[in-house]
Amino acid sequence: DAGVIQSPRHEVTEMGQEVTLRCKPISGHDYLFWYRQTMMRGLELLIYFNNNVPIDDSGMPEDRFSAKMPNASFSTLKIQPSEPRDSAVYFCASRPGRLNTEAFFGQGTRLTVV
Amino acid sequence: AQSVTQLDSHVSVSEGTPVLLRCNYSSSYSPSLFWYVQHPNKGLQLLLKYTSAATLVKGINGFEAEFKKSETSFHLTKPSAHMSDAAEYFCVVTEPHDYKLSFGAGTTVTVRA
Repeated sequence: DAGVIQSPRHEVTEMGQEVTLRCKPISGHDYLFWYRQTMMRGLELLIYFNNNVPIDDSGMPEDRFSAKMPNASFSTLKIQPSEPRDSAVYFCASRPGRLNTEAFFGQGTRLTVV
Repeated sequence: AQSVTQLDSHVSVSEGTPVLLRCNYSSSYSPSLFWYVQHPNKGLQLLLKYTSAATLVKGINGFEAEFKKSETSFHLTKPSAHMSDAAEYFCVVTEPHDYKLSFGAGTTVTVRA
């Protein structure tokens, strides 16, 4: 397996524009997580899914953020409209549905909102 | 709810000397514990994990960690630091009934030549 695949790797956009980040989890993993990493706040869990169903979205900062998982092999994180304070590295991770297993992370998307 | 405290935000060592990164956890259950490493501008890579088997866990690149329930600790060590160990390290906890991972704030390791 190629691991967790995120796209794009880098995104630069203007304030007010819509941004969509994409993630392909490892095949067979039941859990998918979206994290945001900044210098100030470290790694924050935004939302996670189990079998394509959102389980906990309490970390989503505002209504401007939304996430979907239409099928087991694809998830998106959308920011609309984007703001400069959304600039961060966004990681996607997936994990098997078995206890005592680790999560596997993608390479991240570095988002810059100017 | 589970949580993790990494006691040092930054550790600086000389090449060839031991490395110690400290982690304390809080959990109401028998947790699983992990150490991840993140090199600059890279994703997170698993170093090692504890899942209620042996309390001394060996990982990649010569790292190991010891689970001490009485001290609620899971400290990471390496006998001899290498320049390539310069990175950020995260201690992570998860509980049996909860599949999300709780991250510590991270420890940045600098290795001096």
